[in-house]
Amino acid sequence: AQKITQTQPGMFVQEKEAVTLDCTYDTSDPSYGLFWYKQPSSGEMIFLIYQGSYDQQNATEGRYSLNFQKARKSANLVISASQLGDSAMYFCAMRGRDRRQLTFGSGTQLTVLP
Amino acid sequence: DAGVIQSPRHEVTEMGQEVTLRCKPISGHDYLFWYRQTMMRGLELLIYFNNNVPIDDSGMPEDRFSAKMPNASFSTLKIQPSEPRDSAVYFCASTLDVLSDGYTFGSGTRLTVV
Repeated sequence: AQKITQTQPGMFVQEKEAVTLDCTYDTSDPSYGLFWYKQPSSGEMIFLIYQGSYDQQNATEGRYSLNFQKARKSANLVISASQLGDSAMYFCAMRGRDRRQLTFGSGTQLTVLP
Repeated sequence: DAGVIQSPRHEVTEMGQEVTLRCKPISGHDYLFWYRQTMMRGLELLIYFNNNVPIDDSGMPEDRFSAKMPNASFSTLKIQPSEPRDSAVYFCASTLDVLSDGYTFGSGTRLTVV
């Protein structure tokens, strides 16, 4: 079975500062993918970044980077230079090689303060 | 590409009525998923299809729920009869058969059963 744990129900960050959102996972699949999604108050789910379990380097997409520590089974999202528009719910998710469905964590509500 | 298209955006219905939610996936995507989001249970998978064939429907709550995918460009999720506890946001998502492909979600259907 796959499990995603996000232990921070809510986070606050000052505008222009960096913030780290935590995500730990558990799986028995030897190959898997980790994803982060953003859900603003409007409700849509926006794909942010992907990390493969065999990727040697941490994934980056603009201001988003993924701090992947395989031995610790963690895949934390780092947002640099926070903007007011980053205020949203953030979900960590994973899928295994043979399991096509995404398993989601409970989410972290990020609020960026001016 | 227009993305994943869901309709309607909002649905309010009375308990006992039939509700049909619709989804058009991205052209060429091999997989289609139906998720339900509630405050209590978060994002949970209901069912998913591969090349129009249902693969895993273990998340479908009960016999009141049914889903079909008659062709590669259309899927429906039907609830009959609807109950107040079915009130939720229902998302459709599609993806390629590639581990690294970020799933694309539709805008969701907010269902309210009164």
